[in-house]
Amino acid sequence: GEDVEQSLFLSVREGDSSVINCTYTDSSSTYLYWYKQEPGAGLQLLTYIFSNMDMKQDQRLTVLLNKKDKHLSLRIADTQTGDSAIYFCAEKSNQGGKLIFGQGTELSVKP
Amino acid sequence: DGGITQSPKYLFRKEGQNVTLSCEQNLNHDAMYWYRQDPGQGLRLIYYSQIVNDFQKGDIAEGYSVSREKKESFPLTVTSAQKNPTAFYLCASSLREDWIETQYFGPGTRLLVL
Repeated sequence: GEDVEQSLFLSVREGDSSVINCTYTDSSSTYLYWYKQEPGAGLQLLTYIFSNMDMKQDQRLTVLLNKKDKHLSLRIADTQTGDSAIYFCAEKSNQGGKLIFGQGTELSVKP
Repeated sequence: DGGITQSPKYLFRKEGQNVTLSCEQNLNHDAMYWYRQDPGQGLRLIYYSQIVNDFQKGDIAEGYSVSREKKESFPLTVTSAQKNPTAFYLCASSLREDWIETQYFGPGTRLLVL
């Protein structure tokens, strides 16, 4: 079945780069997404990548997709304390367009 | 302002009680979704609706019910049959004509059992 896996925690120093990794199982996924969740809030869409792309850059965010290994990563350059949050990757299922979410990676940025 | 609103922010349920969580959107989106979030876990889909007067069960529909009488509204009822309802509930919506079909989320409702 469809499954998305993420590591649960990542801790970095302010100003460093953060790399959050995700693996997925459904090779027919068309779109993959990254969402950010701040404490007690809903999810905010950060970026997405179409499955025929290898890389997408949006300001401090870089998404890399390795379709062969079914591996997705989100790199945040110059990480700030305001980037501390939980980051979810998700793949779009072919069943009714629903999203399959990973468990979320809690990013902690230390000053 | 366009967006998705959920109310209340916090909700308390007594044993044996049904409670209803509100979700409203003014984005003119066709599809709406309800997710449940538990600590350390990803989001799990409860119900979704792709069009008015139609909805489908998600992965964990037992103990929940929904209705979709209006395009902008998708209320979720947590029934007494749901034995472990304490969680953070998130509503989302998306536009079907949008090929990407990006889902946008509301701020969430935290349900606690007294």
